[in-house]
Amino acid sequence: AQSVTQPDIHITVSEGASLELRCNYSYGATPYLFWYVQSPGQGLQLLLKYFSGDTLVQGIKGFEAEFKRSQSSFNLRKPSVHWSDAAEYFCAVDPGSQGNLIFGKGTKLSVKP
Amino acid sequence: DAGITQSPRHKVTETGTPVTLRCHQTENHRYMYWYRQDPGHGLRLIHYSYGVKDTDKGEVSDGYSVSRSKTEDFLLTLESATSSQTSVYFCAISESGMNSGANVLTFGAGSRLTVL
Repeated sequence: AQSVTQPDIHITVSEGASLELRCNYSYGATPYLFWYVQSPGQGLQLLLKYFSGDTLVQGIKGFEAEFKRSQSSFNLRKPSVHWSDAAEYFCAVDPGSQGNLIFGKGTKLSVKP
Repeated sequence: DAGITQSPRHKVTETGTPVTLRCHQTENHRYMYWYRQDPGHGLRLIHYSYGVKDTDKGEVSDGYSVSRSKTEDFLLTLESATSSQTSVYFCAISESGMNSGANVLTFGAGSRLTVL
């Protein structure tokens, strides 16, 4: 069965430090990949998506993600974290013809001043 | 939230009572979804709709029903609420829908339901 794994439940980084959030998926072909962010008490907002082409995709708020087929990964990165980035981040996979968007369980990001 | 309104935003109810959550969109998108979000589980799909009167079950549909009589409204009903249905419920919409490979969802702000 398809699945999405976000190995880190909670990460704390210092403001200004770099960030990498991990996402691994289990799927036979190349799926369509997404990262969403959820601020406290809010719905989810799309950060970026990968459908095809360049494996490094840019998103909003200075985030980027890199698709690595050999590792079945789609890790989210930001070179310098701001306090406003504190939120929960969800990786999601759309297997295409298999239907149903599949979400990981999320990684909560805390930012230290 | 990009033309999506969920109501009520907060509700406390008792076990065994019926509950209806409403999702209203102004985007005229064909596809609408109901998810629930629980700690440690992420988001799980309850039901979805691919048009007026066209709905289907998701991963966790037991105990829930939906209706879509107009493009803009998608209702989620708990016929007899249980404590296990205490959750945050999110509505989402998309233009392209499932099976398209480009299912970009836009989410509402959520409805927090507590069943005592």
